[in-house]
Amino acid sequence: QVQLQESGPGLVKPSETLSLNCAVSDYSISNGFYWAWIRQAPGKGLEWIGSIYNNGPTYYNPSLKSRVTISLDTSKNHFSLKVASVTAADTAVYYCARDYPVLRYFDFWGHGTLVTVSP
Amino acid sequence: QSALTQPASVSGSPGQSITISCTGSISDIGIYNYVSWYQQHRDKAPKVVIFEVTNRPSGISDRFSGSKSGITASLTISGLQAEDEADYFCMSYTSSGSLVFGGGTKLTVL
Repeated sequence: QVQLQESGPGLVKPSETLSLNCAVSDYSISNGFYWAWIRQAPGKGLEWIGSIYNNGPTYYNPSLKSRVTISLDTSKNHFSLKVASVTAADTAVYYCARDYPVLRYFDFWGHGTLVTVSP
Repeated sequence: QSALTQPASVSGSPGQSITISCTGSISDIGIYNYVSWYQQHRDKAPKVVIFEVTNRPSGISDRFSGSKSGITASLTISGLQAEDEADYFCMSYTSSGSLVFGGGTKLTVL
């Protein structure tokens, strides 16, 4: 059973960079799946942020692409998210997930971590 | 990219069946069978209940079924149970290489 766990600061100031990590257990992230970030603003729906494939192609939501970077660290078996120039609109629960290749669905999810953007 | 369109809410009594629709476009649902559905209970992470339009992951009840016609996908839950009360989200792959969610549907079991 693949397990994912998000970690990072729960509070970020406006205009700063939000940084989160997702530790993956019981599966090597270099084994050919995509690895994704999804977020959910309070009381709102799910929003795909982006996915990275095995240190290869990275795909981002066009609405966030200019501010987002997703990367893999195979030595630590984790992957990361950075969102630059954050505003209150970036306040959300951030989830990491495994993204099944070709069929493109999220089969395993982390529990999520709340990030609040506030002065 | 525009979010897929779902009804804000649906409801049904225990034992009944309900269907949630998810309308996209010719750039997503209309040309790909990469449609998935997620169940999210309050304050919990989402869980996939349907992938590739009609397939159920291991451990998901056969009361959950999916279908697609044209640019609209549907999730049907039969024999409604109290535990089915949750938010449901559809998602599709798109021709631009992105993934897009629906706005979500709140299911109330009366």
